Amino acid sequence: GAGVSQTPSNKVTEKGKYVELRCDPISGHTALYWYRQSLGQGPEFLIYFQGTGAADDSGLPNDRFFAVRPEGSVSTLKIQRTERGDSAVYLCASSRTDRVGETQYFGPGTRLLVL
Amino acid sequence: AQSVTQPDIHITVSEGASLELRCNYSYGATPYLFWYVQSPGQGLQLLLKYFSGDTLVQGIKGFEAEFKRSQSSFNLRKPSVHWSDAAEYFCAVGGTGRRALTFGSGTRLQVQP
Repeated sequence: GAGVSQTPSNKVTEKGKYVELRCDPISGHTALYWYRQSLGQGPEFLIYFQGTGAADDSGLPNDRFFAVRPEGSVSTLKIQRTERGDSAVYLCASSRTDRVGETQYFGPGTRLLVL
Repeated sequence: AQSVTQPDIHITVSEGASLELRCNYSYGATPYLFWYVQSPGQGLQLLLKYFSGDTLVQGIKGFEAEFKRSQSSFNLRKPSVHWSDAAEYFCAVGGTGRRALTFGSGTRLQVQP
């Protein structure tokens, strides 16, 4: 079946601009996660949705970052007044929980470059 | 706070040789442990996971990992490495306490012919 998809695959913007990154989870997955991966690092958690609500947004670095999931499926990560330090790969994951635990499946990521 | 340490930043092995990638974790509750692989420019692919039960878990592509609670480790192994295994490998911990995964900084595997 279809995996997690993310658009765009690459985004180049100028410092101070606004960007939106989109994530389409695997059908039927109720939980959705956003992570950020800087060069040479492992992914770092940003925010997690259970259904439509943000269940944990403790990883958002500041109030320039915001995410929504209005219908409990597609999610959009929004970054205002972008800074060069926001350049990274933004990964989305959706998850299913079986009788023993939860497994997250990742999309290919959006590579954001802020000039 | 939870954390993951992957002590080896870069490992080079010869094709056909055995492989062991180290992972140590810190987690306050019962951990769920994962290994993911990332090829250049790609997302993360799940290799294997441990939730409970048998401490030796089998994954895709011939990989296995062993959970050792006493050592807080979850090392990844493969008996014979193939050139296509060259990639970056990430260990991650999650669980019932906090659902977000915490990742290590990764180990880059290079395979020599």
